[in-house]
Amino acid sequence: EDKVVQSPLSLVVHEGDTVTLNCSYEVTNFRSLLWYKQEKKAPTFLFMLTSSGIEKKSGRLSSILDKKELFSILNITATQTGDSAIYLCAVEARTGNQFYFGTGTSLTVIP
Amino acid sequence: NAGVTQTPKFRILKIGQSMTLQCTQDMNHNYMYWYRQDPGMGLKLIYYSVGAGITDKGEVPNGYNVSRSTTEDFPLRLELAAPSQTSVYFCASSYVTGGEAFFGQGTRLTVV
Repeated sequence: EDKVVQSPLSLVVHEGDTVTLNCSYEVTNFRSLLWYKQEKKAPTFLFMLTSSGIEKKSGRLSSILDKKELFSILNITATQTGDSAIYLCAVEARTGNQFYFGTGTSLTVIP
Repeated sequence: NAGVTQTPKFRILKIGQSMTLQCTQDMNHNYMYWYRQDPGMGLKLIYYSVGAGITDKGEVPNGYNVSRSTTEDFPLRLELAAPSQTSVYFCASSYVTGGEAFFGQGTRLTVV
């Protein structure tokens, strides 16, 4: 059965801390892995990863994929209160155009 | 920039009632998706479409139906609402598979 597992489920940190969110997957015919940030409403896209070892970076956020070990990490440095959200990992399978989402990591950044 | 528009934002249904959740996108995306999100359960794919006239089941299609008569619209139909369908529903679209998906703002549905 295809699945995506994120850890930790929740995290509380202080402003300025660095956090690492984990996503492991078992998905047949992997095509891509995507990270989303979900605040109050709709998820918004952060990164799409298709190749191992190539870091994607956007400001304080970065992500990397390991297709051999079947996981990805999302790093956030110098966290701010605006980073508080649920971070979702999704894996797309080549067959069926299906995305499998993890349950998300709830991040709370306190001042 | 409208993007993906879902209506309604909130709805309360009685058991056995029917309703249609509307989803429209103005980005000329081929791919459209319907997800439900239950607390602590992540997003589950209900149905998806790769283009007008083509739909297929996702992980949790039971109790739902879809149609895709135009590129822009992808309505989700609940025929006989059940309490298990209480959830937040998201519509999403993407230009190509594997690319960035744009989400609507969600519909919070309660079945009582």
